[in-house]
Amino acid sequence: AQTVTQSQPEMSVQEAETVTLSCTYDTSESDYYLFWYKQPPSRQMILVIRQEAYKQQNATENRFSVNFQKAAKSFSLKISDSQLGDAAMYFCAYRSIPGGSGYALNFGKGTSLLVTP
Amino acid sequence: AAGVIQSPRHLIKEKRETATLKCYPIPRHDTVYWYQQGPGQDPQFLISFYEKMQSDKGSIPDRFSAQQFSDYHSELNMSSLELGDSALYFCASSLGLAGVVQFFGPGTRLTVL
Repeated sequence: AQTVTQSQPEMSVQEAETVTLSCTYDTSESDYYLFWYKQPPSRQMILVIRQEAYKQQNATENRFSVNFQKAAKSFSLKISDSQLGDAAMYFCAYRSIPGGSGYALNFGKGTSLLVTP
Repeated sequence: AAGVIQSPRHLIKEKRETATLKCYPIPRHDTVYWYQQGPGQDPQFLISFYEKMQSDKGSIPDRFSAQQFSDYHSELNMSSLELGDSALYFCASSLGLAGVVQFFGPGTRLTVL
C-alpha cells in the first residue's frame, strides 16, 4: 500500500511571502497521480494542483507550483505571494493510474498553513 | 457549474440508531467515492462505485453499506451507530474510473450522541 507523509503539521507565512509545503510518498508503482488539496475552515475539499508522474515538467497553477522529484518520491507545493485566503489545511494525496492498485485517493496527515498579515 | 451535492449537510443521531447519507454527483459523472474524515484526521476512503457496481472497498465497517442507483446518485447507509462514527463524510465524483480528478461535495457532518 502507498503511504503519503507530510512532515510539517503546521507552517506559518507572512502575507506576500513564499512558503513551501513538503510531501513524500512511498510506492512501487512507476506511474501514478499526485495532488494537493486545500481544506479551508468551511471544510470543503478543493483541488489546488495535480501532477502526472510520467510528466517531467512541474505543474503550475497561478501562484501555486510543485517541485516533483520522482526518484526521491517527493512532491512539494510552493505558494507564492501568499494571501490571507490561502490559510487552510493542505493535504497531499496519491492515486494509482487505471489498472493500478485502486482509484481511491490516499491522503497524508495534512499541513495547517497560517498566513499572517 | 454544477457541483457534487450531499444531503443532509448536518445530522445528529443517537447511539445504535441508523443514518442514511445521500450523494448526487456532478451531471454525467458515473463514479462515486465515499470518504470519512474524523476530527483532526485526513480523509479515509470507504467505498466507491462505477456504473452502479462497487469498484473498490476501503476501511468501511460491516455496519455500513452503500449503493449507487441508476441515476448515479449514491447512498451510504450506517447502522448501529457508535460514538466513533462522528465525522465528516465526503462524497466525490469523477467521470469514469479513469477520471483523474475527484470533485468533492461539501460533506455531511454526522454527530452521534
